[in-house]
Amino acid sequence: KQEVTQIPAALSVPEGENLVLNCSFTDSAIYNLQWFRQDPGKGLTSLLLIQSSQREQTSGRLNASLDKSSGRSTLYIAASQPGDSATYLCAVLKTSYDKVIFGPGTSLSVIP
Amino acid sequence: EPEVTQTPSHQVTQMGQEVILRCVPISNHLYFYWYRQILGQKVEFLVSFYNNEISEKSEIFDDQFSVERPDGSNFTLKIRSTKLEDSAMYFCATSLDNEQFFGPGTRLTVL
Repeated sequence: KQEVTQIPAALSVPEGENLVLNCSFTDSAIYNLQWFRQDPGKGLTSLLLIQSSQREQTSGRLNASLDKSSGRSTLYIAASQPGDSATYLCAVLKTSYDKVIFGPGTSLSVIP
Repeated sequence: EPEVTQTPSHQVTQMGQEVILRCVPISNHLYFYWYRQILGQKVEFLVSFYNNEISEKSEIFDDQFSVERPDGSNFTLKIRSTKLEDSAMYFCATSLDNEQFFGPGTRLTVL
């Protein structure tokens, strides 16, 4: 059974810092991995999707990497801003039409 | 850009009442899903639906829950007799191939 964990559970950083969020999954046979952002009480905003054949994806100040063999992904946020404060969720898909398995999230607070 | 929509955005109901949550998928998508997120907890899978049939359901998805596509466009989740523990955010997702697109969610509050 696929389990997804995220470290740290919570993170508080001063504005401008570069930071790394970590995601681990127990079954390396995944189809893709996705990072989402969730603001309090709100929906899921897709940030980056990495196919199993890819090593990384970039969007603006965000860079996500995937190491399937070790069951790990990292989300790198450069030059953090207060507007980045949110919960970041990692999620994996085993096959193209399977259910998405979510991690518990990392709650990020960027202090001005 | 096409998006998944859900109605209502917030539903308040009394325990024991029936609720129907509605989702309008992206038009050419074939696979449909419901997930829920209890406050402060993980997003959890409920059910997947394809070709007018349930493909997979979790242990959460008991006899109180049902899904259907009544008119070939909307995708609905019905909870027959709501319990306090059904209070959660419910997300619909739809897919054509390799990526699921999530709706904004319906916040269900059971009093």
